[in-house]
Amino acid sequence: AQSVTQLGSHVSVSEGALVLLRCNYSSSVPPYLFWYVQYPNQGLQLLLKYTTGATLVKGINGFEAEFKKSETSFHLTKPSAHMSDAAEYFCAVSDTGRRALTFGSGTRLQVQP
Amino acid sequence: DTAVSQTPKYLVTQMGNDKSIKCEQNLGHDTMYWYKQDSKKFLKIMFSYNNKELIINETVPNRFSPKSPDKAHLNLHINSLELGDSAVYFCASSQQGANEQYFGPGTRLTVT
Repeated sequence: AQSVTQLGSHVSVSEGALVLLRCNYSSSVPPYLFWYVQYPNQGLQLLLKYTTGATLVKGINGFEAEFKKSETSFHLTKPSAHMSDAAEYFCAVSDTGRRALTFGSGTRLQVQP
Repeated sequence: DTAVSQTPKYLVTQMGNDKSIKCEQNLGHDTMYWYKQDSKKFLKIMFSYNNKELIINETVPNRFSPKSPDKAHLNLHINSLELGDSAVYFCASSQQGANEQYFGPGTRLTVT
């Protein structure tokens, strides 16, 4: 069975500071990993994905994530936070067999001026 | 054009009623999903259809019945609504060979 753990339900950073949102996964087969962002009262928007190949993945809005198999991690980073980054962020895992996404519990990012 | 659309966006109804939520995608994808997001923002898969065939049916009460008239549509019918059904329901779609899913805007269901 697959599972995702997001450390920290709330993360607060200052505008311009580094954003680091943590995600660890568990999967018995090679995983596909995703980060989604949810703005208030909206659906989920795909930020980035890892399937195969390069372990450092770049996404939209300046976000990137690195797949570390040895640590079973897929942490999301952004060098400089912007006020518009304030939202709920979800890490998710799937695989070729089970195409449905298994989500983490989410991390709310607050950006302080 | 909206890629994945859902109607209605808000649905308020009383316990015991039957309601439906509709989902349409214009991305040409072959697989569609229903997810439930509870009050704590936790997202969980409910159903998945591939080319109109049910492929995932999680532990969901049989009061919930998905229907896929064609591969661009996946509707969710809920019978005998209960207070615990209050949640946001998201439809999503994906294409075989590409694992990312595209989500609709959600339907906030409130059962009173």
